[in-house]
Amino acid sequence: DVKVTQSSRYLVKRTGEKVFLECVQDMDHENMFWYRQDPGLGLRLIYFSYDVKMKEKGDIPEGYSVSREKKERFSLILESASTNQTSMYLCASSSPRGEAGGTYEQYFGPGTRLTVT
Amino acid sequence: AQSVTQPDIHITVSEGASLELRCNYSYGATPYLFWYVQSPGQGLQLLLKYFSGDTLVQGIKGFEAEFKRSQSSFNLRKPSVHWSDAAEYFCAVAPGSYIPTFGRGTSLIVHP
Repeated sequence: DVKVTQSSRYLVKRTGEKVFLECVQDMDHENMFWYRQDPGLGLRLIYFSYDVKMKEKGDIPEGYSVSREKKERFSLILESASTNQTSMYLCASSSPRGEAGGTYEQYFGPGTRLTVT
Repeated sequence: AQSVTQPDIHITVSEGASLELRCNYSYGATPYLFWYVQSPGQGLQLLLKYFSGDTLVQGIKGFEAEFKRSQSSFNLRKPSVHWSDAAEYFCAVAPGSYIPTFGRGTSLIVHP
């Protein structure tokens, strides 16, 4: 089974703090994603990465950055946390088309509920 | 750009009743289509997917979905709902790339 783990289930930070959210997958997937989930808004893509050291902005990258130094690890960084970044953060991975069984389905971690006070 | 609409924000059913969750997409060709389920406090889990072939797709937990090209729909169904099916359900579309677009979700409430 694919496993995607996130470093924390719950996190409370203060406004202005630098916050690191870590995500690790064990299936050698090329693609990794960070989403935030808010009630009524569904999942919104923050950043994604299709290879080590490669990153692309999603729909709402402002206030966030990412790092992918190793294939299995994708980190989301809040440079200076603000209260409007209080949310559930979901990490996902997927395999690219062409690999056996690869049809773009994503595998999600359990989520990190971040509260910024 | 593609879009996904889940017209029902909340659906309430009685345990044992049948269920249909609606999903409509906007895209010029046939995309990859997915349904995910999110139990409270959890990440998303894939229920089923469609990318070609038989338009009726079977998934886990007794769910199925039917792709209807003429209606640009991919509705999720279950003949008899169990209390444990109470969750948030997301439809997603990946139009030939690996970046899916998600609907806003439908919250399923199951009454005993």
